[in-house]
Amino acid sequence: GESVGLHLPTLSVQEGDNSIINCAYSNSASDYFIWYKQESGKGPQFIIDIRSNMDKRQGQRVTVLLNKTVKHLSLQIAATQPGDSAVYFCADGITGFQKLVFGTGTRLLVSP
Amino acid sequence: DGGITQSPKYLFRKEGQNVTLSCEQNLNHDAMYWYRQDPGQGLRLIYYSQIVNDFQKGDIAEGYSVSREKKESFPLTVTSAQKNPTAFYLCASSAGGSYNEQFFGPGTRLTVL
Repeated sequence: GESVGLHLPTLSVQEGDNSIINCAYSNSASDYFIWYKQESGKGPQFIIDIRSNMDKRQGQRVTVLLNKTVKHLSLQIAATQPGDSAVYFCADGITGFQKLVFGTGTRLLVSP
Repeated sequence: DGGITQSPKYLFRKEGQNVTLSCEQNLNHDAMYWYRQDPGQGLRLIYYSQIVNDFQKGDIAEGYSVSREKKESFPLTVTSAQKNPTAFYLCASSAGGSYNEQFFGPGTRLTVL
C-alpha cells in the first residue's frame, strides 16, 4: 500500500480501548465539521459530521464533540478494533461554500 | 453502483512530460475537487469546480490545469511546470448547495522519474 503520512502524530491503543483523536480549526466562521478515515493507499472515507448548532453527535461506535469556544473538535472511537487502524482527518467548512479545510491527520495504531 | 473513479491507480512519467489524471463520478454531484497528498501532510486543494464550465484555483494550482466540460468528469493535467509532481492525487465530489460532505475517489499515485 501507499505510505501516506509517514510523519503524522500517532496514537497507539490496545484493542478494546476507547480512542480519542483531537483536532483544532482556525476559522471561527466554520459551521460544518467532518471526520474522515483513510486507510493506506485508499481515498478518505466519511465517518461522521456535525454542524455548529450541535456540540455532540453519535454514530456507530463513534462520537464527535465540538467546542466552538476554543475551536476544537474530537473524535471518540469506542471499543477500538484493529480494523480502525488508519489515518484520521478532520475538516471544516462553511455551509454553502464548497471548500473544506483539512487538518494534517492523526495515525491510529490498534494493537491486538 | 454509484461513486467516484480515478484512473489509473499508479502512473509513471518521465520528467518534463505532461500527464492527465482521470476523475469520473456518477453521483450527479455539481462540485468536484482535486487534492494533492504528500507524506506527513494533509490534503491540499489544487483546483475545484462548482458547476460545469467553471473552476477555481485552490491553494497549490501552479503547474496544474483542469477542465470541466461535463458534469461527471474533472480531469487534472500535471504539466512540466510543476516542480515536484510525485504525489498521491485525490479527486472528490460533493452535491453542492448546503451539502458540504465530499466523497473521495481511490486516488492516483503519480511518480515522475
